Amino acid sequence: GAVVSQHPSRVICKSGTSVKIECRSLDFQATTMFWYRQFPKKSLMLMATSNEGSKATYEQGVEKDKFLINHASLTLSTLTVTSAHPEDSSFYICSATGDRGVYEQYFGPGTRLTVT
Amino acid sequence: AQSVTQPDIHITVSEGASLELRCNYSYGATPYLFWYVQSPGQGLQLLLKYFSGDTLVQGIKGFEAEFKRSQSSFNLRKPSVHWSDAAEYFCAVGGNQAGTALIFGKGTTLSVSS
Repeated sequence: GAVVSQHPSRVICKSGTSVKIECRSLDFQATTMFWYRQFPKKSLMLMATSNEGSKATYEQGVEKDKFLINHASLTLSTLTVTSAHPEDSSFYICSATGDRGVYEQYFGPGTRLTVT
Repeated sequence: AQSVTQPDIHITVSEGASLELRCNYSYGATPYLFWYVQSPGQGLQLLLKYFSGDTLVQGIKGFEAEFKRSQSSFNLRKPSVHWSDAAEYFCAVGGNQAGTALIFGKGTTLSVSS
């Protein structure tokens, strides 16, 4: 099946620093990638949708200057949390659709971000 | 508004007993429906999906779900639960247009007692 990886799986950073999370489609071309955020014991909240080569579309309430999303190639999207604060601590999950079936999303394993 | 409702926040089932997790959706277009399972600290694993055709769909790990358009429901069932089924279960709905994001329910936590 289609495989999506995320790196790193866990990251701890100090408040005020920036951290980058990578999402890669390993065996298919991902024309669209999605970034979700999941709080403990909560559902997944869509943060943004990115199409390869275009600017990401952010959901209402998501700060685009804080959560920078880049989808520069058909296999890679990155989420950069800038000037991270403890309230940004969360589980971030990406998903991708593409040439393996545009109506089905393939999810990455998630990245646990802890901001101290 | 588009939404997914999972009425049960937490369910406990005895090992070997049957299971039904409820899911209701509100969606303005033809819905594509999914059930995912998530173990603590892990990503999402797709259990099954419904796009069209037979309204009873079979998934992995012995799960099945039935799409009932008249009730806007897509309930997940398993005839005999195993202790390893304890996890968080999410129902999700998406559209039939390419690149449509999924809308998730709040999830149901399944505990399995021995």
